[in-house]
Amino acid sequence: KQEVTQIPAALSVPEGENLVLNCSFTDSAIYNLQWFRQDPGKGLTSLLLIQSSQREQTSGRLNASLDKSSGRSTLYIAASQPGDSATYLCAVRAGGTSYGKLTFGQGTILTVHP
Amino acid sequence: KAGVTQTPRYLIKTRGQQVTLSCSPISGHRSVSWYQQTPGQGLQFLFEYFSETQRNKGNFPGRFSGRQFSNSRSEMNVSTLELGDSALYLCASSLGGAWGDTQYFGPGTRLTVL
Repeated sequence: KQEVTQIPAALSVPEGENLVLNCSFTDSAIYNLQWFRQDPGKGLTSLLLIQSSQREQTSGRLNASLDKSSGRSTLYIAASQPGDSATYLCAVRAGGTSYGKLTFGQGTILTVHP
Repeated sequence: KAGVTQTPRYLIKTRGQQVTLSCSPISGHRSVSWYQQTPGQGLQFLFEYFSETQRNKGNFPGRFSGRQFSNSRSEMNVSTLELGDSALYLCASSLGGAWGDTQYFGPGTRLTVL
């Protein structure tokens, strides 16, 4: 059974800092890994999608890496801003016999203070 | 292009009742997935529909069911509601032709069971 863990559970940083969010998964047989952000009481916004054959993806100040063999992904946020405050979730889309299921981590609550 | 829409946004029901939630995917998307989000369990996969067929199913009791129509709109039904069914129900749509495509989430339906 796929399990996804995110560390840290919460993070508070001053504006302008670079930061790294971590995601690990137990079953490396995945199709892809996706990072989302969720604002309080709202749905999820897709940030980056990394296919299993890729090593990283970049969008603006965000960079996500994937090391499938070790079951790890990191989301790097450069020059953080108060508007980045949200819950960040990683999710893996399963491969193998459980293909198609999206399994989520518990999320990292990020607070960026001015 | 309009995003994923979900109706209703908020719902209050009592134990034992049943409820139907609706999801309209992004135009052109053929896959719709449903997730339950609670503070304790986080985001959990319910099921996925593609071209009117259930393609994947999570570990939820038979009280949770769904269907998809020819226009890709999907409904989710929960019968004999329990207090523990109180949650944010999210649907996501994707092109669905390949396991690697991005899922786009709606704003969710907040269900409260009294």
